[in-house]
Amino acid sequence: NAGVTQTPKFQVLKTGQSMTLQCAQDMNHEYMSWYRQDPGMGLRLIHYSVGAGITDQGEVPNGYNVSRSTTEDFPLRLLSAAPSQTSVYFCASSYSVKIPAFFGQGTRLTVV
Amino acid sequence: SQQGEEDPQALSIQEGENATMNCSYKTSINNLQWYRQNSGRGLVHLILIRSNEREKHSGRLRVTLDTSKKSSSLLITASRAADTASYFCATDDKGGAQKLVFGQGTRLTINP
Repeated sequence: NAGVTQTPKFQVLKTGQSMTLQCAQDMNHEYMSWYRQDPGMGLRLIHYSVGAGITDQGEVPNGYNVSRSTTEDFPLRLLSAAPSQTSVYFCASSYSVKIPAFFGQGTRLTVV
Repeated sequence: SQQGEEDPQALSIQEGENATMNCSYKTSINNLQWYRQNSGRGLVHLILIRSNEREKHSGRLRVTLDTSKKSSSLLITASRAADTASYFCATDDKGGAQKLVFGQGTRLTINP
């Protein structure tokens, strides 16, 4: 099992560009989520999904879109990148929010 | 605002000493989880304590939960250099949506 795989590991974008951060898990987990981590801010929830076809907003959803067409994949789209979106992004998955989550290794995104 | 808040934000101790970190939260929860993050890496689950439990042990880790005070503590005994990391608490919301919300974390440094 690969666990939770995030790609890319590093990315530099220009302001206004769009891109998709990929997240895939091979554990048949229903629950997947995206967080961003900024210095001194901990992890803030962007979007989450409790199963294929179901997504919902977290604390900081503005500027991001998600979809969950399959159980395995949960991509995060930046619509028009802004410097404020410079951060480290983590994807996580679990069978439910009530049990431990597995995290990917993160994507370090810089918007210039 | 975030569900969990850790205290202290940073802690530096000598190898062999015990380290205690605290977490406070705001709403009723099903369980509380503790995670560790080594520098530049994803989060790793350490221990989960349910709302009907008061104390839980795992190796050198001891977690307590006081639901009346909405607080938890993580004790690491006989600290080692390898324990140097950031530690985060995470909670779900018993009455709300299925979201796992993290605190800001405690940065622990173990000095040799």
